Amino acid sequence: DTAVSQTPKYLVTQMGNDKSIKCEQNLGHDTMYWYKQDSKKFLKIMFSYNNKELIINETVPNRFSPKSPDKAHLNLHINSLELGDSAVYFCASSQSAGGNEQFFGPGTRLTVL
Amino acid sequence: RKEVEQDPGPFNVPEGATVAFNCTYSNSASQSFFWYRQDCRKEPKLLMSVYSSGNEDGRFTAQLNRASQYISLLIRDSKLSDSATYLCVVKSSGGSYIPTFGRGTSLIVHP
Repeated sequence: DTAVSQTPKYLVTQMGNDKSIKCEQNLGHDTMYWYKQDSKKFLKIMFSYNNKELIINETVPNRFSPKSPDKAHLNLHINSLELGDSAVYFCASSQSAGGNEQFFGPGTRLTVL
Repeated sequence: RKEVEQDPGPFNVPEGATVAFNCTYSNSASQSFFWYRQDCRKEPKLLMSVYSSGNEDGRFTAQLNRASQYISLLIRDSKLSDSATYLCVVKSSGGSYIPTFGRGTSLIVHP
């Protein structure tokens, strides 16, 4: 059984397009996260939701908009894609906001041409 | 100064060697510390939490030095399967518990 799943796994698109990445966790966790890992492998947190409420919103362009329809799902919508958005995007979850272990999804490799 | 700093390596060691990584953090209010492992083109996975008194899990030992603001990971009797990137994670206190990842240290264990 997959704990944290993301779709799609690969996404290749043109500059200027709008795209969404979906994330679901079946662990019953309250907290979910989005991370971006760039070409230098630096993993940086973007957003976090706890029970559908936004609790972390790091310095991210407002072209990125997360949405949590319920606590098992956290989707990421990106408007007007730019070349610099190319990266691997990881979704993760933890039992609570202060929970120790984060469980990561397999990642979505986004390439903007 | 970056919040969490790690030597990116790579550390190239023979099987059976002992290798140690350090990670320094800048926020003295940091409360929780972890080591994650990330294999090539895979997601990070928790290796171990780091406790104030230090802790051991098989061949892996983690230590925390709050005074000098660093954590360390020691791997004894390295195996080929230990080859991966080791990510240091520091969580700040406060309502949002923001986790900050280091950029990772690459370990290559060769026969």
